[in-house]
Amino acid sequence: QKEVEQDPGPLSVPEGAIVSLNCTYSNSAFQYFMWYRQYSRKGPELLMYTYSSGNKEDGRFTAQVDKSSKYISLFIRDSQPSDSATYLCAMSAVYSSASKIIFGSGTRLSIRP
Amino acid sequence: NAGVTQNPKFQVLKTGQSMTLQCAQDMNHNSMYWYRQDPGMGLRLIYYSASEGTTDKGEVPNGYNVSRLNKREFSLRLESAAPSQTSVYFCASSEAFGASGNTIYFGEGSWLTVV
Repeated sequence: QKEVEQDPGPLSVPEGAIVSLNCTYSNSAFQYFMWYRQYSRKGPELLMYTYSSGNKEDGRFTAQVDKSSKYISLFIRDSQPSDSATYLCAMSAVYSSASKIIFGSGTRLSIRP
Repeated sequence: NAGVTQNPKFQVLKTGQSMTLQCAQDMNHNSMYWYRQDPGMGLRLIYYSASEGTTDKGEVPNGYNVSRLNKREFSLRLESAAPSQTSVYFCASSEAFGASGNTIYFGEGSWLTVV
């Protein structure tokens, strides 16, 4: 079983819809949770970063962590065609080394105009 | 603002050939990384260099070698390429990692096909 599980999609929604992307994980030691966005033929870029449980909001994006269920989510409100990309969740138990980050396999999202 | 630069962007190799992927960052970061990305497998760490002068194995180091040439440059070498090494390779760098939000910055990727 992988440490981090992510539905690969593809997920296709109409413009303006609310999008929910999710990951589950098995390692209860994970404390740092990230969402990366990756456009086609590009490298991943950090979108959201949360520590421990709770919600974090940044514009149209909200990251949610439920450590009791080992489940994290990324919500995109008022989705735009420019949000079409692959979204990777990532997490780590270790503060000091990015080498310990575990990435999900990514969910491909398409926003239809 | 170049960030992390990788070369070459595309390469086709024959089985058994060798090649080096070059990476340079201009953000004065201490740590650098090489990942590979395969369908359904996500990003997997091959090697990393926590600071100039050090290198360590990641999750999937077999068949690869690395050199941290200086603070800016970190190269990945395939000594005898195999079809299983067909993948997209990403170089990345980071200053530090933690609650401050510092993160990994990725290059644009190198598409490698081994035939």
